[in-house]
Formats: sequence, structure tokens, C-alpha cells
Amino acid sequence: GQQLNQSPQSMFIQEGEDVSMNCTSSSIFNTWLWYKQDPGEGPVLLIALYKAGELTSNGRLTAQFGITRKDSFLNISASIPSDVGIYFCAGQQFGSARQLTFGSGTQLTVLP
Amino acid sequence: ETGVTQTPRHLVMGMTNKKSLKCEQHLGHNAMYWYKQSAKKPLELMFVYNFKEQTENNSVPSRFSPECPNSSHLFLHLHTLQPEDSALYLCASSQLLAGVETQYFGPGTRLLVL
Repeated sequence: GQQLNQSPQSMFIQEGEDVSMNCTSSSIFNTWLWYKQDPGEGPVLLIALYKAGELTSNGRLTAQFGITRKDSFLNISASIPSDVGIYFCAGQQFGSARQLTFGSGTQLTVLP
Repeated sequence: ETGVTQTPRHLVMGMTNKKSLKCEQHLGHNAMYWYKQSAKKPLELMFVYNFKEQTENNSVPSRFSPECPNSSHLFLHLHTLQPEDSALYLCASSQLLAGVETQYFGPGTRLLVL
């Protein structure tokens, strides 16, 4: 089935640094979602994007819906220890209601 | 309670046991989902319920049996599971508006099959 290519798979950064991760696809999506998952917990929605070119912020997080509708990125500025976790992208294709395609996740580690 | 809740949070069962997972959403959504999350694998969609009707069954073995009595509650009945069924089981809900939707997840049930 359709897959999203999420990169990088893992990142080790120093506290205070900025982080960027992205998802790409060979197909067009009409919705991009970014989730964060802590160990043993369910994914928590961070940012939802519904329009090509849309740039949305949520505190230190910023995400963009790519103009081609085939990619999205998530930036985290001035990272802090509680940013540690797995970040997932997810996309919904037009006409595929109730079906999200998930990326494989980016494991983020923030070093003090 | 707010959002999506799941019980139990942790479950250990033998291969001959029968157990059920429960999910409840307090968001007024009209669709609910079961996902399986295994280590180092993407989320796997298991079942979709749209207005209490099952609309998706992604080739899930019959030892997993979903039940959706109303749009706020979703169950996953488990019987004669295998050790490889050990995973985090996540429930989600969403509301379809103008062709787009956003899924909200519960905290999950960590299942261990011995």
C-alpha cells in the first residue's frame, strides 16, 4: 500500500538546538498531520494541515504543507528535554476518508 | 473525561484467555478506529467504524472481534491470541467534515500475550 517516507529515522540533538524532520510521498495528500508519541502512550496531535502551502505554528513547533501536496515538514525550535519522543507524520488522500497513511516515525533524543 | 479514553492500560493474558479492550470517545465524533502498533513498525489500521457500521477490516485474524454499540464506544474482543499479538493497541476517533478529518488517539492498551 501507499507509504510515507519519513526522515530522519532518529536524531540526537543538544538542548536548545532546532530540529527539522520531513515526510514525502509519491502520491498527493489533502491532509497532513503531525503527531508526537511518548513511550507507552498514544500519539498526540501536534499540528494539522489542510491546504497546500499552509504554514502553521503551535508554540515552538512549525509545520508546512508542501506546495506539491506530496510532502510536509515539521520544525521544532529551541528544543527542550520534554521534546523527546517519536514524531509521526500522517496523511489523508483525497477520496480516502477514514484512511490515514502513517510515516515510520522520527525518534528524537534531546541531550542536556 | 475528555478526549479518547481506553481501558485497561495494561493487559497480560494467556493464549487461552478471553478479554476485551474498551474505548470511549468524548468528542462527539462519528468514526472510531482500532490500530495495532508493534515495535519498530508503522501503525497498522485494524478496523474502522463509521456511524457504528464497520467499513474496514484490514485482513485482521478472526481472533480479534470488534464491537461498536454506539458512536461513542468501541470494543475489541480478544480470544485465543498468539504471542505475536503482543503490542500497543490504539483506539482513535474522528469527525469527517468537508472531506477532511483529523484522528485523535487514546493512550492505548499495552497487551502482552504469554
